[in-house]
Amino acid sequence: GDSVTQMEGPVTLSEEACLTINCTYTATGYPSLFWYVQYPGEGLQLLLKATKADDKGSNKGFEATYRKETTSFHLEKGSVQVSDSAVYFCALSSAGGTSYGKLTFGQGTILTVHP
Amino acid sequence: KAGVTQTPRYLIKTRGQQVTLSCSPISGHRSVSWYQQTPGQGLQFLFEYFSETQRNKGNFPGRFSGRQFSNSRSEMNVSTLELGDSALYLCASSLERDGQPQHFGDGTRLSIL
Repeated sequence: GDSVTQMEGPVTLSEEACLTINCTYTATGYPSLFWYVQYPGEGLQLLLKATKADDKGSNKGFEATYRKETTSFHLEKGSVQVSDSAVYFCALSSAGGTSYGKLTFGQGTILTVHP
Repeated sequence: KAGVTQTPRYLIKTRGQQVTLSCSPISGHRSVSWYQQTPGQGLQFLFEYFSETQRNKGNFPGRFSGRQFSNSRSEMNVSTLELGDSALYLCASSLERDGQPQHFGDGTRLSIL
């Protein structure tokens, strides 16, 4: 079945440091890939997405490239801010009718950014 | 534009009781999905509804059920509550027919005593 594996956390960085959160997946066919972010006490917010190989999703300085050859979708940001502190989830949605409305999530990575 | 609204935000129940959670999707969205979030199991898919029909279901016991109304609002019901049902229940809606991408509500925190 489908699965998503994220790098173990938590990740602690100083402000303006570079961020990479690794994400790899297992799925049949050509899934769509997503990064969601969850702030304390809130639901998940879509950060970025990619729907086919070599697509690059980007938003708010975050980027991720859909790499089919390595089945990866790593999240990167060149300079993090304290306000980026949150939990980040990598997720996939498989193609096909049996996957309607279903996201398979990684375990989440807690990011803390210190001033 | 209003986001996904879940009510109530917090709920406390005792073992053996049943509970109903409500979700109002973004206006115009017809796909509604439900997830359970726990520290141990993470985010797990419960089921998805589109135009009042359940199209997809996760691997949860029959105590977990849901429905969707003609205005796309959805409810999920959990009967015979167990301690392990304590979780954050998240609802998400989508404008697209394939149910992606999803927009999440802030969840209902269910605690079982």
